[in-house]
This record gives sequence, structure tokens and C-alpha cells, in this order.
Amino acid sequence: QSALTQPPSASGSPGQSVTISCTGTSRDVGFYKYVSWYQQHPGKAPKLMIYEVNKRPSGVPDRFSGSKSGNTASLTVSGLQAEDEAEYYCSSYGGSNNLLFGGGTKLTVL
Amino acid sequence: EVQLVESGGGSVQPGRSLRLSCATAGFTFDDHAMHWVRQAPGKGLEWVSGIDWNSGSIAYAESVKGRFTISRDSAKTSLYLQMNSLRADDTALYYCVKDRGTIAGGGLDVWGQGTTVTVSS
Repeated sequence: QSALTQPPSASGSPGQSVTISCTGTSRDVGFYKYVSWYQQHPGKAPKLMIYEVNKRPSGVPDRFSGSKSGNTASLTVSGLQAEDEAEYYCSSYGGSNNLLFGGGTKLTVL
Repeated sequence: EVQLVESGGGSVQPGRSLRLSCATAGFTFDDHAMHWVRQAPGKGLEWVSGIDWNSGSIAYAESVKGRFTISRDSAKTSLYLQMNSLRADDTALYYCVKDRGTIAGGGLDVWGQGTTVTVSS
């Protein structure tokens, strides 16, 4: 069982928006601003998409955005494109140099 | 170009040991925390261990605590993972990962291609 809870799947049509949730506790997601999101295509290494809840690394399209409310963080992908189909993982700092991952959400572009 | 290149994976019997290495280049090694993250076949990501910029803070997942040891060498700009008492459930692709920050939490912005560890009798 993963430390952070994500829905196993999500889907949307091209051009639509989809939001993926990530639920932790008041000791991790709810306490720290250090929530990150990763995209992983099959057979590839994960890629950082969002860090510190809502910041985008250089090169990540602004269609990707992050937010947090209480113990739940969210990743929203707007204007869905075919290449957005991938597995998405959330991560949170858990204190004492520990990191936690969610179980992953498979995003399907219909 | 920032590069992380893992090595040292392989097939071993339960109870044996392996040492993973990660050679880095293209960034100031001493300015960043580093981590090992693994992914079992067909499964999700699992954080294994992290070490801050000066080895002052080290942490492990409960699943490997007492069996694995992370370390870093500033002169060689390399990260290591000593894995002892290996079990079948340690079978995974092991990624070496760079943290954006000097301590954990800043976001894992560079990933190696991984090295495969298979534990089987």
C-alpha cells in the first residue's frame, strides 16, 4: 500500500481538462509545501512536471498545473493532448529527509 | 549536460549483497541531495533512500532500513547504495535521482536510466 493515495486511472478527450488527486496526511502533504508530480511514459524514466506544489520546471507546458488543499494535492492537465497519455505519480516530503510516492494514476486520452 | 549513470545491478541469490554506483556529471554535485528510487516490474515508484548535500542527513524507507546503506563521494561526484541481505521483493529497476535542493523535497529533476536488480534463487 502506497503512502499517498491516487486514483488508479483518469481519462479525458483531446482538448479537455483532467484533474488527478493525491491524498496524504497532515504529516506530509498537509504540512509541507514540497509536493511534486512526475510523468512516466512506458519504458522511460520519470520526468518532473511540478515541484513545490505548483511550480513548473523549465520546458514543462503551462497546460500542467498543481495545487493543494489540506491533505490533498492535485495535478490538472488542461487542453489534453495525445502525448499526455502516461502514468502520473505524486510525491511529498515526509520529514526527516523522507520522500513518499503515490501509487500512480494512468491517464488515458480518449 | 546533466548526466546520471547507474551501474552495479545484476542477478543475485537471496541473502547476498550488491553495490550500486551512480556516476554524475554536468552539475555541482555538492549542491544537491541525491536519492535512490526503485520500480518493481509493472509496479509504481518507491523511494528507497536519500542523502542530503553533505551526508549530514540520511534516510531510508522502512522496507530497506537496516539492510541498505546510501553514501556519496564528493571527489568522485558519485552516489552509492550498498544492498545487503537481499530479498526477492528487492527485485526492481533502481534509479539514481538528483534533487533540486540541498535537502530532500525540492523535486527530483534528473533521473538516470536505471540499473536492474534481480533477486532469485
